[in-house]
Amino acid sequence: GNSVTQMEGPVTLSEEAFLTINCTYTATGYPSLFWYVQYPGEGLQLLLKATKADDKGSNKGFEATYRKETTSFHLEKGSVQVSDSAVYFCALSDPWSGGGADGLTFGKGTHLIIQP
Amino acid sequence: EADIYQTPRYLVIGTGKKITLECSQTMGHDKMYWYQQDPGMELHLIHYSYGVNSTEKGDLSSESTVSRIRTEHFPLTLESARPSHTSQYLCASTPGRYGTDTQYFGPGTRLTVL
Repeated sequence: GNSVTQMEGPVTLSEEAFLTINCTYTATGYPSLFWYVQYPGEGLQLLLKATKADDKGSNKGFEATYRKETTSFHLEKGSVQVSDSAVYFCALSDPWSGGGADGLTFGKGTHLIIQP
Repeated sequence: EADIYQTPRYLVIGTGKKITLECSQTMGHDKMYWYQQDPGMELHLIHYSYGVNSTEKGDLSSESTVSRIRTEHFPLTLESARPSHTSQYLCASTPGRYGTDTQYFGPGTRLTVL
């Protein structure tokens, strides 16, 4: 079946530090990959996505590249801000897997804390 | 900006009560989903729908039921709430039939069963 593994947190960084949150996946078909962010007390918001190998998704200074050879979709940002503090979820959608339920398969989430 | 709403935002209820969590979207999306988010943040798909009169169970077994009588409305019902149902419930929708489509999430309902 499909699965997503991401680094566990909390991850604590100082403002303006470089951020990497690792994400690897297992899928039987040709998945699309997503990063969602959840701010306290809110639902999930799409941060970026990539739909095929070598695609790079980017938004708000965050970026991630779909690496089929390493089955990875690591999230990076060059200079984080306090406002980036949130929980980040890596997810995949694999509608071509031919079985099982539809919907996103999520990693367990990484809590990011940025200190001033 | 996604327009997907969930009510109530917070609910504290006693064991054995029947509850319905509401989810509505004004985007005309065909596909809708319910996810359960445990205290450790992990999300699990519990129900989904391809459109009116379509409902399917997700990856995680749940005692809840859903209905889809109207495109915009996808309520979730627990006939007899138990403390093990304490969780956050997130509703989502997506416009099309492709896995590349973004899912838009509501703000969630945080349910506590005493």
